[in-house]
Amino acid sequence: GAGVSQSPRYKVAKRGQDVALRCDPISGHVSLFWYQQALGQGPEFLTYFQNEAQLDKSGLPSDRFFAERPEGSVSTLKIQRTQQEDSAVYLCASSFVRYTEAFFGQGTRLTVV
Amino acid sequence: SQQGEEDPQALSIQEGENATMNCSYKTSINNLQWYRQNSGRGLVHLILIRSNEREKHSGRLRVTLDTSKKSSSLLITASRAADTASYFCATELSRTSGSRLTFGEGTQLTVNP
Repeated sequence: GAGVSQSPRYKVAKRGQDVALRCDPISGHVSLFWYQQALGQGPEFLTYFQNEAQLDKSGLPSDRFFAERPEGSVSTLKIQRTQQEDSAVYLCASSFVRYTEAFFGQGTRLTVV
Repeated sequence: SQQGEEDPQALSIQEGENATMNCSYKTSINNLQWYRQNSGRGLVHLILIRSNEREKHSGRLRVTLDTSKKSSSLLITASRAADTASYFCATELSRTSGSRLTFGEGTQLTVNP
């Protein structure tokens, strides 16, 4: 596809359950970002990859959050032992290199019940 | 923490009028990007303006950047009902490694038919 693809679009998890969110960036894009967006707010940075290297994970809110991009293309954001405050939309974006336009996926809406 | 702050938080205008949204930021940047987000959807990239640029145009959109005042504005001319959305500015700093876009809280624009 031509754009950034995220799956699933919606995820309902019971508190304590582990979840995995997938991001397929635009082919050839070196940079990949994950963001968390609460209702009515702007996206908050979680982590950044340059190819397979995770260069910045300072935005991950706790050690329950883990992201990987093992082959420098598809990325997975994993949340362990989900809690209600993890409920949000998780957005993935990619750009050709840094300092260029970033293109966002449709997001995964996570609801923890 | 949010680097950018949009002003106003909400704006309601009639179709055909112009809409102006402002963004202020705190630290020196490499570039500033404007995004649109329709309710429940992903972010759509509008314009990227670099720190050495002062003005850019794209169709009905005009973006200005004043690095001395650390501010940017987005002007939408001849607005349409379809322009109703949230608009976010995002700043990207120059870094030795890594990258992140830091978003503001957004301006909710409503264009009434």
